Amino acid sequence: GNSVTQMEGPVTLSEEAFLTINCTYTATGYPSLFWYVQYPGEGLQLLLKATKADDKGSNKGFEATYRKETTSFHLEKGSVQVSDSAVYFCALSDRQGAQKLVFGQGTRLTINP
Amino acid sequence: GAGVSQSPSNKVTEKGKDVELRCDPISGHTALYWYRQSLGQGLEFLIYFQGNSAPDKSGLPSDRFSAERTGGSVSTLTIQRTQQEDSAVYLCASSLAQGTGNEQFFGPGTRLTVL
Repeated sequence: GNSVTQMEGPVTLSEEAFLTINCTYTATGYPSLFWYVQYPGEGLQLLLKATKADDKGSNKGFEATYRKETTSFHLEKGSVQVSDSAVYFCALSDRQGAQKLVFGQGTRLTINP
Repeated sequence: GAGVSQSPSNKVTEKGKDVELRCDPISGHTALYWYRQSLGQGLEFLIYFQGNSAPDKSGLPSDRFSAERTGGSVSTLTIQRTQQEDSAVYLCASSLAQGTGNEQFFGPGTRLTVL
């Protein structure tokens, strides 16, 4: 079945540091890939997505590129801010059927000023 | 309210009791999903509704769990004879329709605690 493996956390960085959160997946076919974010006290929200190989999703300074050859979708940001502190979830969905999301275990990110 | 709403926000119940959790999707969204977020299992899919099609129940963990969606809008997730392992945050999400990469919009969740 489909699965997503994320870099284990928690991750603690200083403000303006470079961020990478690794995500790899196993899937039959060609899934769509997502990063969702859960800020403290808030619900899950979509951060970015990519629907085919070599697509780059980007939002709020975050980027991730759909790499079919390495089955990866790593999240990166060049200079993190305290406000980026949150839990980040990598996810995939099939292109057919229910298109339900399969999530990684989540990575808790804390940015210190 | 433009977003997905869920009620109650918190529910504490005793083992063996039945509970009902409600989800109001975004108006016009035909697809509705239930997920569960727990410490041991992470975020896992429970059930999916799309229009008038038969729901995809493949994620329901046992026959104590059921859900319905009335009039293509509001959905209720029912857990019968609750067990302590049912304690989790239950999340509802909706999306416009099936289609590659359609964004799912999540509600704030219902935190269920079974004593």
